[in-house]
Amino acid sequence: SQTIHQWPATLVQPVGSPLSLECTVEGTSNPNLYWYRQAAGRGLQLLFYSVGIGQISSEVPQNLSASRPQDRQFILSSKKLLLSDSGFYLCAWSVESSGPYNEQFFGPGTRLTVL
Amino acid sequence: AQTVTQSQPEMSVQEAETVTLSCTYDTSESDYYLFWYKQPPSRQMILVIRQEAYKQQNATENRFSVNFQKAAKSFSLKISDSQLGDAAMYFCATIHSGGGADGLTFGKGTHLIIQP
Repeated sequence: SQTIHQWPATLVQPVGSPLSLECTVEGTSNPNLYWYRQAAGRGLQLLFYSVGIGQISSEVPQNLSASRPQDRQFILSSKKLLLSDSGFYLCAWSVESSGPYNEQFFGPGTRLTVL
Repeated sequence: AQTVTQSQPEMSVQEAETVTLSCTYDTSESDYYLFWYKQPPSRQMILVIRQEAYKQQNATENRFSVNFQKAAKSFSLKISDSQLGDAAMYFCATIHSGGGADGLTFGKGTHLIIQP
């Protein structure tokens, strides 16, 4: 069966510090991968998605970047965190397909607090 | 672009009663999917129910059912026989068909409280 992991689970970082959040998927090959952010009192906002190694699509221009160095690894980064980067970050995966739709499965999330 | 609106920030219902959560959406796509996700205190996102826009029949999953009104762009979730475990944030979401790798567009959510 497939599983998705995120770490760390919780992170407190000072403004201006770098960030690296990691997401890995097990039990599937060449998944589509996604990063979402959930700010306080708001729904999930898609930040990045990837259909393959090195292929990153950005939905919202911001202080963050994403990379996919391996097939089942998706990393969210920042060189200098802002207060507005605080939130709950969720990684998700779906089966690679050109079909109409594939269900997205979410990881447990990372709660990021920038002070 | 798609937008999803959930006008009820919070709803409360007595255990064993029925509650309906509202969702409206806007999309220029002719074919799309609609979803309700549940996010309990653990923050894990769980798919509750899915509706394909080209299907007129409303989706049902056990105690969960939807009222899909395509012309009105409305997609409400009905929870029957509410249980304490149903307490959670509920998010309505959509994705257009044909974009298998595209992300979901979410509403801001409704916090559902179950009164014992």
